[in-house]
Amino acid sequence: EIQMTQSPSTLSASVGDRVTITCRASQSIISWLAWYQQKPGKAPNLLIYKASSLESGVPSRFSGSGAGTEFTLTISSLQPDDSATYYCQQYKSYSSFGQGTKLEIK
Amino acid sequence: EVQLVESGGGLVQPGGSLRLSCAASGFTVSGNYMSWVRQSPRKGLEWVSLINNDDNTYYADSVKGRFTISRDKSKNTLYLQMSSLRGEDTAVYYCASGGSGGWDLKSWGQGTLVTVSS
Repeated sequence: EIQMTQSPSTLSASVGDRVTITCRASQSIISWLAWYQQKPGKAPNLLIYKASSLESGVPSRFSGSGAGTEFTLTISSLQPDDSATYYCQQYKSYSSFGQGTKLEIK
Repeated sequence: EVQLVESGGGLVQPGGSLRLSCAASGFTVSGNYMSWVRQSPRKGLEWVSLINNDDNTYYADSVKGRFTISRDKSKNTLYLQMSSLRGEDTAVYYCASGGSGGWDLKSWGQGTLVTVSS
């Protein structure tokens, strides 16, 4: 099974900040990576697929990059509504998720 | 508008069985990759199973041989038959439809809680 490791586990930032979350895979997943946002009591919401493709309807301040084993999710200008937990998911070999990064607004 | 509604969760004893349903509207279950994903405080998000548009099925090692994914075209519904349930199967179970890659998860239901306890 491919292990996915996210860092940091928690993150506190201010409105307007540029925020970066990292996801590392235990082996190459090429670009088969997705990012999700989850708010309390709700299902996850797809933000990015295939490492860097923005899902329809997702604000353009979200972007994804990387390939192989290291990937990043960037929020270019943090908004209050971005307070949530973010997960990466690999789908190169079956599927597995990272443990999540909880993003708080200062 | 795509909508997925899960049902069938509840309290079940260890070793018992349960069938989850996921009723879809706004698209056809049979023509899409469909997945089950679960979430618990202990293990976080965990992929459980997928059925692709050729009806090939895939399972996480933790549920292989105990869970079965299927779908009913006439009812536009996805199912997860769970047997030999264990305490570690306790979680909120979500169904989800595949995105452009099939295995990425574009639309999700609201989830149904399964509790395995005596």
